[in-house]
Amino acid sequence: NAGVMQNPRHLVRRRGQEARLRCSPMKGHSHVYWYRQLPEEGLKFMVYLQKENIIDESGMPKERFSAEFPKEGPSILRIQQVVRGDSAAYFCASSRDRGNEKLFFGSGTQLSVL
Amino acid sequence: DQQVKQNSPSLSVQEGRISILNCDYTNSMFDYFLWYKKYPAEGPTFLISISSIKDKNEDGRFTVFLNKSAKHLSLHIVPSQPGDSAVYFCAASAGNNDMRFGAGTRLTVKP
Repeated sequence: NAGVMQNPRHLVRRRGQEARLRCSPMKGHSHVYWYRQLPEEGLKFMVYLQKENIIDESGMPKERFSAEFPKEGPSILRIQQVVRGDSAAYFCASSRDRGNEKLFFGSGTQLSVL
Repeated sequence: DQQVKQNSPSLSVQEGRISILNCDYTNSMFDYFLWYKKYPAEGPTFLISISSIKDKNEDGRFTVFLNKSAKHLSLHIVPSQPGDSAVYFCAASAGNNDMRFGAGTRLTVKP
């Protein structure tokens, strides 16, 4: 009866390194969303994926950020050559269907870039 | 491009009184609205929703009101309890699950 699982909970990287954030959606959910929350700000939409497809990446920075949701395994949000401004909480959410459905969120990954 | 706005970053109320959290939106295509509650170090959890065909939805102590002409919705919590202290996010979508969130309002309920 697991909910949305994100790991790691905390990730520390030095500038220039790569960060990989993982998200396993709820059982039966095939739609995954990534959001970023900067300090003192709300949740910013980044990307919406279905299995093997990126549906909407309008919120993703054009460089260094990428996301995938393979046929098998978790969704991955990848940040290359991290900078201090990437420090934030990254939340993954999932839903069963597309359309007006509530999203179920994971506990987030707190990324800290030194 | 802030399509969903929560203009009050914080709100403090006394236990037992009503809490009213407000949210405004700009995109007239939004037709589904939700409120999420977030505790520190946890992900947001769904609280209550309303579709654009309604103007009110009630669930226990929580009621959401939607005013489409004003592009405004509000969450009422009555009576407020100390356990309600959290950050509340308003969210809206246009039927494609591209859900947009407001910046959140931190509610503090004092005993």
